[in-house]
Amino acid sequence: KAGVTQTPRYLIKTRGQQVTLSCSPISGHRSVSWYQQTPGQGLQFLFEYFSETQRNKGNFPGRFSGRQFSNSRSEMNVSTLELGDSALYLCASSSQGAAGELFFGEGSRLTVL
Amino acid sequence: QQQVKQSPQSLIVQKGGISIINCAYENTAFDYFPWYQQFPGKGPALLIAIRPDVSEKKEGRFTISFNKSAKQFSLHIMDSQPGDSATYFCAARKGDSSNTGKLIFGQGTTLQVKP
Repeated sequence: KAGVTQTPRYLIKTRGQQVTLSCSPISGHRSVSWYQQTPGQGLQFLFEYFSETQRNKGNFPGRFSGRQFSNSRSEMNVSTLELGDSALYLCASSSQGAAGELFFGEGSRLTVL
Repeated sequence: QQQVKQSPQSLIVQKGGISIINCAYENTAFDYFPWYQQFPGKGPALLIAIRPDVSEKKEGRFTISFNKSAKQFSLHIMDSQPGDSATYFCAARKGDSSNTGKLIFGQGTTLQVKP
């Protein structure tokens, strides 16, 4: 079974630009979550999508948004990039239910100059 | 209430020794406590997880000890090996199927196992 796939793996943007990151979950997994990882703040929850609906949102500004498609693939978008948005963005998928384990992708490393 | 506090921040252990990482939480609504291992350039990978109805869970060299009354849990790595050198994260999640993807992570512990 293929794991969680994230693209692109690395990208460099400048302040003010926007970026879209993509995530393909494990086949059969309908829940996709996004996390931001930085040395200072650690792993922070951004949002979770299930069946194309956002059902949880972390404490991030509205510049951070996401969506999920009918095939469970997900994208997240960051608009008006700031230097502080430089981070590793991780996607995780899980099967439904309270027992669902989270499986992470390798992340998209975003550098904002 | 949403925090998970992890210690120590870094840990150096000799090969064959025991590595111990501790976590504490406040929110009694948490009922799933996983540990993740992360190598440089990789995403976190689930190591072992526990629920509050058991006090200990062991998988190979990895053991979680859970103290519900103290709201603390810890990871023990027995016979630590250089290949265990990685960053370890504890996490917690509320017991609600609508929270499947929402984990609250500790700050991480960087473990170095010296040969």
